Amino acid sequence: EDKVVQSPLSLVVHEGDTVTLNCSYEVTNFRSLLWYKQEKKAPTFLFMLTSSGIEKKSGRLSSILDKKELFSILNITATQTGDSAVYLCAVHSGNTPLVFGKGTRLSVIA
Amino acid sequence: SAVISQKPSRDICQRGTSLTIQCQVDSQVTMMFWYRQQPGQSLTLIATANQGSEATYESGFVIDKFPISRPNLTFSTLTVSNMSPEDSSIYLCSVSREGSTDTQYFGPGTRLTVL
Repeated sequence: EDKVVQSPLSLVVHEGDTVTLNCSYEVTNFRSLLWYKQEKKAPTFLFMLTSSGIEKKSGRLSSILDKKELFSILNITATQTGDSAVYLCAVHSGNTPLVFGKGTRLSVIA
Repeated sequence: SAVISQKPSRDICQRGTSLTIQCQVDSQVTMMFWYRQQPGQSLTLIATANQGSEATYESGFVIDKFPISRPNLTFSTLTVSNMSPEDSSIYLCSVSREGSTDTQYFGPGTRLTVL
């Protein structure tokens, strides 16, 4: 059975800190890994990763994939209170639908 | 990305009733999906809404409980039938486009509370 595990489950940091969120997976026929930010109800797309070692970057957020070790990290630098959210990792494998992890709840305090 | 709207945004319903949730996209999309997110849990796929044919349901979800329609490439509905308190969840539709089918974009969600 395909599995996606995120860690930590929750994290509290101060504004300006840098955080690293982890996502490990066990799937057959890996296709892609996606990161989403969920603030209230709707997950907002952040990144899609398909190749190892190529960093995707958007402002203070960046992500990288390691297909050999089967994990991805999401980095957020100089965190702001607006970064407070649940960050979801999801993986596509073969012809199966997206499998989501349980998410990491990030709280950034002023 | 696509602009996706869902109606209603939230509802409180009585046990035994049914609710239909609508998902509208501003442009034609290849795939439309319906997810459920129970309190404190991650997203679980209910079904893939197929245009012009029956939806494809995931294990644990059945058409009688969650009938789905997709009459065209921009619109779909999900009905939650004969509701019980266990159906209290956020229901989300998502879409993907041809050429980028792995990337899914989500609608704003419907928060359902069943009393």
